[in-house]
Amino acid sequence: GNSVTQMEGPVTLSEEAFLTINCTYTATGYPSLFWYVQYPGEGLQLLLKATKADDKGSNKGFEATYRKETTSFHLEKGSVQVSDSAVYFCALSDWGSGNTGKLIFGQGTTLQVKP
Amino acid sequence: DTGVSQDPRHKITKRGQNVTFRCDPISEHNRLYWYRQTLGQGPEFLTYFQNEAQLEKSRLLSDRFSAERPKGSFSTLEIQRTEQGDSAMYLCASSRKRGADAEAFFGQGTRLTVV
Repeated sequence: GNSVTQMEGPVTLSEEAFLTINCTYTATGYPSLFWYVQYPGEGLQLLLKATKADDKGSNKGFEATYRKETTSFHLEKGSVQVSDSAVYFCALSDWGSGNTGKLIFGQGTTLQVKP
Repeated sequence: DTGVSQDPRHKITKRGQNVTFRCDPISEHNRLYWYRQTLGQGPEFLTYFQNEAQLEKSRLLSDRFSAERPKGSFSTLEIQRTEQGDSAMYLCASSRKRGADAEAFFGQGTRLTVV
């Protein structure tokens, strides 16, 4: 079945450091890939998405590229801020073969950015 | 567009009691999903509605769980004879589109504590 694996956290960085959060997936079809973010006390928000191989999703300085050959969708940001401290979830959705489009999530990676 | 609304935000109940949660999706979103999130884990899919029809249920949804979406608007999730293992955050999401480009919007969740 479909699954998503993320690097374990927590990840602790200093402000302006480079961020990478690894995500790999297993899917039988051609899934869309997503990064969701959950700030403290808030609900899940879509951060970025990519719908096909080699697509790059980007938002708020974050980027991730859909790599079919390595089944990966790693999240990167060149310079993190304290306000980026949150839990980040990688997810996939496969609409093939009448699928309902439900999301399959990784376990989440906590990012803490220190001033 | 007021977003996905969930009620209550928090619920504490004694083991063996029944509880019911409500989700109001974004208006005109015909697709509605319920997920469960335990501490330190990513959300796990529970069930999916397209309009009023419940089209998919996870094996996680035991016979103590029931969900409805009368008239294809709001949805309720009921848990009968609650157990301590039911303690979790219950998330609702809605979507309008179908396909690779579809984006799910999440509510802030209902946190259930069974004592």
